[in-house]
Amino acid sequence: GENVEQHPSTLSVQEGDSAVIKCTYSDSASNYFPWYKQELGKRPQLIIDIRSNVGEKKDQRIAVTLNKTAKHFSLHITETQPEDSAVYFCASILTGGGNKLTFGTGTQLKVEL
Amino acid sequence: GAVVSQHPSRVICKSGTSVKIECRSLDFQATTMFWYRQFPKQSLMLMATSNEGSKATYEQGVEKDKFLINHASLTLSTLTVTSAHPEDSSFYICSAEVGGRSFYNEQFFGPGTRLTVL
Repeated sequence: GENVEQHPSTLSVQEGDSAVIKCTYSDSASNYFPWYKQELGKRPQLIIDIRSNVGEKKDQRIAVTLNKTAKHFSLHITETQPEDSAVYFCASILTGGGNKLTFGTGTQLKVEL
Repeated sequence: GAVVSQHPSRVICKSGTSVKIECRSLDFQATTMFWYRQFPKQSLMLMATSNEGSKATYEQGVEKDKFLINHASLTLSTLTVTSAHPEDSSFYICSAEVGGRSFYNEQFFGPGTRLTVL
């Protein structure tokens, strides 16, 4: 089955700096890669996603890049703010194959003032 | 739109008792719902896929006789943890799939249920 690795497990940045979280996946057939933000005790919230036929996608301060050949994708957050502090999960899915999400291990992001 | 609720939000029970958790899609019909378990500081692990009107499909290592899933309607799936033990204490999250999309049927997550077994 699919395996998703995520690094780093914790990330501390100063407010205004950029944060980068990286994930690798094992199944070359996976074709959709969402990113979720989860605050403590809350539900995961989809923040951005990318399809396998796209190399990069941006939404304001958040961007995701995908390298299909290397089977890795990254989340980039620019101009970080304290409210960005949360746990971020990458995930992969093979659409049409039961739509089962495989989550990465998570990154605890802390944005310090 | 695409709101998913869970009930209860928090439950504490004694070891050996059974606990039922409800997952509802409030403003859409969900033919497929998913149940996840999340231990503290860990990722979400898929337990089972619940399809309306049919038996749930369980992931490897998940005991189907312990975690009973019923998807009786297009808006409700229930997870019953039978004979709960302290090691079952976890955050249980459901998601409901919004169908009819051309590429990907997005999953919307419920707010989760914190189960503590004493």
